[in-house]
Order: sequence, then structure tokens, then C-alpha cells
Amino acid sequence: EIVLTQSPGTLPLSPGERATLSCRASQSVSNSYLAWYQQKLGQAPRLLIYGASRRATGIPDRFSGSGSGTDFTLTIGRLEPEDFAVYYCQQYGSSQWTFGQGTKVEI
Amino acid sequence: QVQLVQSGAEVENPGASVKVSCKASGYTFTDYYMHWVRQAPGQGLEWMGWINPNSGDTNDAHLFRGRVTITRDTSISTAYMELRRLRFDDTAVYYCATGDPHLEYWGQGTLVTVSS
Repeated sequence: EIVLTQSPGTLPLSPGERATLSCRASQSVSNSYLAWYQQKLGQAPRLLIYGASRRATGIPDRFSGSGSGTDFTLTIGRLEPEDFAVYYCQQYGSSQWTFGQGTKVEI
Repeated sequence: QVQLVQSGAEVENPGASVKVSCKASGYTFTDYYMHWVRQAPGQGLEWMGWINPNSGDTNDAHLFRGRVTITRDTSISTAYMELRRLRFDDTAVYYCATGDPHLEYWGQGTLVTVSS
């Protein structure tokens, strides 16, 4: 199965700053079938990005995704207070779907 | 609007089984695969498997193979996840989720506690 490694584990930032989150796959993710989710405490995950770079419905344009193959990045242009949360990458290009371990963006 | 409504919290003994339901509405149930994802307390997300509601075909994560069964009842637009031979470390929130194919819609989660 494809192992996804996210870095950093924790990202301390302030509102207004730019956040760059990394997701590295143990083997190439076919068709760039890579998604990013945001999860806040006590809530279900929320889809942000799919197909590595396509924003899901209703997601603000400060969220952007990039990458292909084994290296993917989620960028949050200017952090809003509501963006402090845990972010997960997930690949759906193989028969065994997998998630990364998460990056916590904290103040 | 798409809604996934899951069954309520469960408390089970080690070695027992649990069956969680997920009722879908707001879309054609057979159009999207239904997935199950779990999250242990303070931990990350773990994909468990999917079912094709149209054919009934399933694909389980290797980690759960032999212990998990995912089924569906198309007449009531409901998917089920049964986990057998429960262990203490199966204590988690279990989510159903669906989309095309990325997981755009999620249920509210069902807490399953394994306790003696």
C-alpha cells in the first residue's frame, strides 16, 4: 500500500501568515488522485482539495494544492482564525486508499 | 442536499461484534461508492473499505480483512459496516463517507467503545 508522510507534524503560525504543508508518497500516486481534508475538533473531516489541485465546492481560494507523482503541497495563502485545524492528505489512486498522519496548524 | 446519518453510539465487550448503519439521502444512493473511515481517540484517519452500492462489490483495507463486512440495502439507501472480534484498540469514531470518488460528504460519526 502507498504510505503518505506529512510534514511538519505541527506548524505554529499566526493569522495572516502563509502555511505550506507537505505530503510525500512512498510511490507515485496515479492520476494525481490526491485529496486534502481539514478537520476541527469534534467534527467530521471536510474536503478541501481533490485531484491534487482542484478546490472542492465552497472552499475559499486561499486554499491551493499542487504537486504530482510522489510530492504534494497544500498552501493556505493567508491564515484566517478558522483555519487553525488538522490537515490530512489522502490518496485514492490505488485499490487500498490511505491517509497521511496529519499536520496540525496551530497558533 | 446530500446527508449521511449514522446510527448512535455503541459500547461493546472485547470479542463481540458491532454493526454501524449509514442512511443516505439527497442523491441517488447507487451513484457513489460508500466508504468507511475510523479515527481512534487523538489519532489520525484510517480508511477501512468501500462498497459499490450498485453491485454490492466491496474492497476492504488489508488491516481489517477478515474482521470487517460492508453491506448495503438499496431499498432504504443504507450502508452498514460490521466489525467482528472487537479489541480495546477498536475504540474509535467510525465515519461513513461518499463522493465521486473523493470523499466530499461525511456522516456525523459513530463512537464505538470497546470496554469490559
